[in-house]
Amino acid sequence: QVQLVQSGAEVKKPGASVKVSCKASGYTFTGYYMHWVRQAPGQGLEWMGWIDINTGGTNYAQKFQGRVTMTRDTSISTAYMELSRLRSDDTAVYYCARDDLEFWGQGTLVTVSS
Amino acid sequence: DIQMTQSPSSLSASVGDRVTITCRASQSISTYLNWYQQKPGKAPKLLIYTASSLQSGVPARFSGSGSGTDFTLTISSLQPEDFATYYCQQSYNTWTFGQGTKVEI
Repeated sequence: QVQLVQSGAEVKKPGASVKVSCKASGYTFTGYYMHWVRQAPGQGLEWMGWIDINTGGTNYAQKFQGRVTMTRDTSISTAYMELSRLRSDDTAVYYCARDDLEFWGQGTLVTVSS
Repeated sequence: DIQMTQSPSSLSASVGDRVTITCRASQSISTYLNWYQQKPGKAPKLLIYTASSLQSGVPARFSGSGSGTDFTLTISSLQPEDFATYYCQQSYNTWTFGQGTKVEI
């Protein structure tokens, strides 16, 4: 069965970077794009961008341009999202989601606090 | 960027009620409109894709309609497990979500 399993919660200081992983199983990893979506506490869903797992091509939301980097390692079926220059308002649950909409990771809480 | 506007932002309803949530896109998105249900601490769950197609395993009391800029999610008879937050999402050009509708007792 298809599963997307994300890395565990992180606590970071302002100005630091965080890298969240999303390990896929149960399907051909290179067959789908992977999206990243975040949700601040008590807020709605915010799309951050996608990565073409096959080619490594990316498309980032303008809001995150210059701060976000999405990569993948096809040898271990894992996608990554790195966000740099963290601020307190980056505190959120970060989700990976397969491009067909149906499968989402369980979410990774990133807390940015001094 | 395509903006998605959902209404209402919250509603109170009772078990057995018919519930309707609307979503409007800032430009035509054909039928590239999806609906999700989210419960606290959980990832969103896909209910409806391409405006009106019911995702496998989702109860038939959920239905979607619309095209172009105006869309509707209807729950025909609200069940206790349906109390949650619902989001629309456009997938016509990247992704954008509506702000959510919280369905409460």
